[in-house]
Amino acid sequence: DTEVTQTPKHLVMGMTNKKSLKCEQHMGHRAMYWYKQKAKKPPELMFVYSYEKLSINESVPSRFSPECPNSSLLNLHLHALQPEDSALYLCASSHGTSQFLSYNSPLHFGNGTRLTVT
Amino acid sequence: AQKITQTQPGMFVQEKEAVTLDCTYDTSDQSYGLFWYKQPSSGEMIFLIYQGSYDEQNATEGRYSLNFQKARKSANLVISASQLGDSAMYFCAMREGRSSASKIIFGSGTRLSIRP
Repeated sequence: DTEVTQTPKHLVMGMTNKKSLKCEQHMGHRAMYWYKQKAKKPPELMFVYSYEKLSINESVPSRFSPECPNSSLLNLHLHALQPEDSALYLCASSHGTSQFLSYNSPLHFGNGTRLTVT
Repeated sequence: AQKITQTQPGMFVQEKEAVTLDCTYDTSDQSYGLFWYKQPSSGEMIFLIYQGSYDEQNATEGRYSLNFQKARKSANLVISASQLGDSAMYFCAMREGRSSASKIIFGSGTRLSIRP
């Protein structure tokens, strides 16, 4: 069983809908990530949160809005998406307790949310 | 800018044989970490093995080992005694820098298929 939980597993939404993806981890990790993965492609980084603060935004369109309410939770709010945004959205977490050891910290992924925009 | 290259889009291997998946990387940083992930068709990303830039010995985890050649900037994954369940997509990844939330970027992946 994965220690990073993502809900929902599947989501179908229209282009005018507003929806949210949720991610939760209880491993005490202080860095959390959103990745987007299209079919047969590697995951692409979208956002990184470090100690509940947004530290990296990979020039993601504003129709994607991340939120980190606390160290265990990460949300991705979706609004006015396009069909090309259909993809697998992966949440991940990693240790962030020491700046001098962080480069050896692997990502722990959730099972993802498979999003379809119609 | 960091870069990860996996030159094998797909590989077919007979069950019980060993297989090597290639990965080369490019970085100007002295501190970095290299990772391998497995992604079955179900979609989850499974962490397999890690190698740090300062580690002098090659990492091993069960049937997985990492052939780390720092001067050549390669970090190949070796799977011994392959099993049918090893059929999946395999991604090489790198984290660069000491930041507590630095990026991890992925190579394009290798699809491994194990023949019975």
